[in-house]
Amino acid sequence: AQRVTQPEKLLSVFKGAPVELKCNYSYSGSPELFWYVQYSRQRLQLLLRHISRESIKGFTADLNKGETSFHLKKPFAQEEDSAMYYCALSEYSSASKIIFGSGTRLSIRP
Amino acid sequence: DAGVTQSPTHLIKTRGQQVTLRCSPKSGHDTVSWYQQALGQGPQFIFQYYEEEERQRGNFPDRFSGHQFPNYSSELNVNALLLGDSALYLCASSAEAGSNYGYTFGSGTRLTVV
Repeated sequence: AQRVTQPEKLLSVFKGAPVELKCNYSYSGSPELFWYVQYSRQRLQLLLRHISRESIKGFTADLNKGETSFHLKKPFAQEEDSAMYYCALSEYSSASKIIFGSGTRLSIRP
Repeated sequence: DAGVTQSPTHLIKTRGQQVTLRCSPKSGHDTVSWYQQALGQGPQFIFQYYEEEERQRGNFPDRFSGHQFPNYSSELNVNALLLGDSALYLCASSAEAGSNYGYTFGSGTRLTVV
């Protein structure tokens, strides 16, 4: 069965410290992986996707097919990074349904 | 462009009633997906509409139904409401030809069933 697991409901780090949000998935085919973010009082929005291999707002995520993981990382946390982060996957085809994890709330302490 | 617009923003219904939620997709998008987000959970896929037909469906009972109109807007209908249907209902639109990169979410409708 397709599943996305985010083991941490809450992650609290100090400003300037490294951040790693964990994500593991189970999928039988070749999935497309995403990270979505929801800032306070804002809509859910795409942060990055694995096939673009971009760094967005200092965040990167590498797809590890062997460990079926897609962890989100940032070397130096900023206060504005505080938000809800969702890992998600979909079939690697156009406009397929997206399956979300339960989310991790990232809190950056000053 | 207002992006994805959902109405109403909040709704309170009584158990057993029926409800209709509405979604207008982002300009240029022709595919609409609906998600249910319970408190403390990630969004759960309900179904997706393209070319006025249900193309994919998640693990939701037949009480959940939908419709897409020729202008690509969509409705989500829930019959015989249960207390457990209380959740935030999200609409997301995308362009069929644009893969999943173009998923744009609305701000949601908060449904409370009492």
